[in-house]
Amino acid sequence: SAVISQKPSRDICQRGTSLTIQCQVDSQVTMMFWYRQQPGQSLTLIATANQGSEATYESGFVIDKFPISRPNLTFSTLTVSNMSPEDSSIYLCSVVAGTDTQYFGPGTRLTVL
Amino acid sequence: GENVEQHPSTLSVQEGDSAVIKCTYSDSASNYFPWYKQELGKRPQLIIDIRSNVGEKKDQRIAVTLNKTAKHFSLHITETQPEDSAVYFCAVRGGGNKLTFGTGTQLKVEL
Repeated sequence: SAVISQKPSRDICQRGTSLTIQCQVDSQVTMMFWYRQQPGQSLTLIATANQGSEATYESGFVIDKFPISRPNLTFSTLTVSNMSPEDSSIYLCSVVAGTDTQYFGPGTRLTVL
Repeated sequence: GENVEQHPSTLSVQEGDSAVIKCTYSDSASNYFPWYKQELGKRPQLIIDIRSNVGEKKDQRIAVTLNKTAKHFSLHITETQPEDSAVYFCAVRGGGNKLTFGTGTQLKVEL
């Protein structure tokens, strides 16, 4: 298994500002992902965080809005830029460890006023 | 891309009864099908998974069945308990190791 931590666990931000979320894993992992879970909804993949190269974004998500860094195999950041109330969600880091089991971090609950 | 449908959206059972949640998917190349349980305010937790070369898998009170021909898989929980109350998500892995999630089922186990 993998132990995943995220910082911050929650934040309340003003519209127009940016927030950077950190994800730390206790072991080296190849596959790391960022998901968004809007209130009462399912999980939607934002992007795959690639070590040493640009992230791969899903349809509807762009690098200017959600820049991602992946400096090594245990750490990644997701920035939510120029926030609006529609960005209020839980943001979850996820990794594949072991054979192909996918684990989730505790999430960052973001509220944008 | 992959399309995953999950039913029902809500399910209420009496304690001790069985619960069944069903998912269908669109990409016949998908090869990994996990189920996650998410309690309120918590992260999704993997409870069981199945790979495309297996038709059924069981772990105590939880079982998953897969019909690759029909492209559907189901979660079965027997002897339900109040602590089984949560939201359950099915997921499907296709290309790029990416998971596509179903819309979720709110399971309530009533005393």
